[in-house]
Order: sequence, then C-alpha cells, then structure tokens
Amino acid sequence: QVQLVESGGGVVQPGRSLRLSCTASGFTFSTFSMHWVRQAPGKGLEWVSLVSHDGDEKYYADFVMGRFTVSRDNSNSTMFLQMNSLGPDDTAVYFCARESPFLVYHDSWGQGTLVSVYS
Amino acid sequence: QSALTQPRSVSGSPGQSVTISCTGTVRDVGGYNYVSWYQQHPGKAPRLIIYAVNKRPSGVPDRFSGSKSGNTASLTISGLQADDESDYYCYSYAGGHTLRVFGTGTTVTVL
Repeated sequence: QVQLVESGGGVVQPGRSLRLSCTASGFTFSTFSMHWVRQAPGKGLEWVSLVSHDGDEKYYADFVMGRFTVSRDNSNSTMFLQMNSLGPDDTAVYFCARESPFLVYHDSWGQGTLVSVYS
Repeated sequence: QSALTQPRSVSGSPGQSVTISCTGTVRDVGGYNYVSWYQQHPGKAPRLIIYAVNKRPSGVPDRFSGSKSGNTASLTISGLQADDESDYYCYSYAGGHTLRVFGTGTTVTVL
C-alpha cells in the first residue's frame, strides 16, 4: 500500500537550518508530483511547496521568501525540504503529500514531522 | 495568496445535515474545478473526502457531498454521525506563482 514517512524534524534555534525528508513506498514515486504542507500548533493547514514528478518544476508559498528549497531523488523515492533561516513562525508539523495527476488533490499523506524553532 | 474563507465552526445533531462553505475568488475556487476537501481528526494526518468539487474517493460514505457556485464551494454532511466530529479543510488550485491554497478550516461539532 501507499506509504509516506517524514523524518528530520526536531528542535532548532532561530536562524538555523533543518532538512526534512519524505520517503515513499508502495507506488511509482517518479510519476507523481509531491507537496509539503504544514500545520502550526492549534492552527490550520498551510501549503508550503510543490515539486513536479521529475523535479524540474518547483513552487513555494509566499512566506517561504527564498528560505526553503524543495528537491527529490527519484532513484531513492525520497523528497526533501531544506529549510534555512528558520524563525518561530516556522514551528509546525510538516506533512508530505502525494498529488494525484490532473485533478489536483492529495490522496495520500504522511504522518508528519514536528519542527520546533525556539531559542 | 490569501487563505480561502470557511466558517470557524458548525454544529448539528445526529442525523441532521450540515454545510460548510469555502469562499475564494475567481483566481482559485471560481476559476477551476479543482476543489478538494479533507477531514482531519486531532493529531492525525488529513484524509481526502471530496475531490474535483463533487467526486468521492472509494471508501468515503455518500453522506459526504460537494458542490460549487461561483467563487464558493460547499461540503455537505448528511445524516451526521458522532465520528464526523472533526476539522474540515477545503483546498484549491490557484493560478499564478503560488498554485495552491487551503481554507481556514471548520470544526464540526456533533451535539
């Protein structure tokens, strides 16, 4: 069955960096666009980033402001999110999600990884 | 890109129907038939319940239905059950450089 597993979260000081990973199994990873979505404590879902199936196209929410970089390694069925210059507002659970082709929806989600930014 | 607007909360008794609205603009909800809805229980990952405005994935009860009129999409839950008590989010394709936007979220309470 389809499985997405995030890792790499943790506690980090403001201004530092963190790299999240999302490892996929149970489907042909290289044929799907993948997304990062985050959720601050007690808040709603917030779209973060998208990488196309081949890694050639990447898009980000406005709040990223050049601080985050999404990438993927199709040979290892893994997506990454490099997060730099982290601030307290980046504290959230970060989910990875698969996007179904053509109709723009997420049919599979990981369990999330918590990123906490504080000094 | 601003979040789509949803009511903060809606409630209903078991067996009743509730409807959650999701208001955007012509640049997102109104411009494309790419609205989906997700249910999220506390501490869990979101679960897809509606896609492409009104389509249900396999395994989702037909008590859940979606629709759209102009810039507003809606999710209706009929025959409300205790397990429907959860947070619900709409989501849409948004033209331009951002491309995706979530709703503000709605908490459904079963009285």
